[in-house]
Amino acid sequence: EVQLVESGGGLVQPGGSLRLSCAASGLTFSDSWMHWVRQGPGKGLVWVSRFRADGSASTYADSVRGRFTISRDTARNTLYLQMNSLRAEDTAIYYCAGGGSYRLNNWGQGTLVTVSS
Amino acid sequence: QSVLTQPPSVSAAPGQKVTISCSGSSSNIGSNYVSWYQQLPGTAPKLLIYENNKRPSGIPDRFSGSKSGTSATLGITGVQTGDEADYFCGTWDTSLSAVVFGGGTKLTVL
Repeated sequence: EVQLVESGGGLVQPGGSLRLSCAASGLTFSDSWMHWVRQGPGKGLVWVSRFRADGSASTYADSVRGRFTISRDTARNTLYLQMNSLRAEDTAIYYCAGGGSYRLNNWGQGTLVTVSS
Repeated sequence: QSVLTQPPSVSAAPGQKVTISCSGSSSNIGSNYVSWYQQLPGTAPKLLIYENNKRPSGIPDRFSGSKSGTSATLGITGVQTGDEADYFCGTWDTSLSAVVFGGGTKLTVL
């Protein structure tokens, strides 16, 4: 059974930084594209970033490119999202998901990020 | 504003059939597979349909998907109270180089 467990969310001031983690079990990173998706309060799903299964590339939404960095540690089976220069509009539940290049088979329970002074 | 367009809400009585539409363009639905996700209240999304019309293991055959041109449709037959949820369509947008979702449709079971 695949399990994805996010952590690292919290309250941060505008302009601040935060690093999210996603611990994965039951799936092999080298076989899975890994994604971050966020959902603002009462809003829909918004894709943030993905990491290619073979580790060769990452892709970002325009709204976060240059501020967020996705990475993974294969030895720890953990996916990360480093978020810098945070803005109020980045406030959301951040989900980690794994699967295909744009098919999200498995989702974590999410971690809440609140950007506020 | 979402790249894919869904109706904000639909409703159905228990046992009836309901469909949810998802409209896009040639750069997304028109040239890529569509997935559907179910998000029950207070929980994370779950994959319901992939590659337009395939169901992951454990998803009942009451749920179906189809695609025609630049639109896709999710169908639910024999609607149950436990189906009350938000439903999202998703695909890849070749022009944006991004995964895109619809705004979501809230299903209310009357």
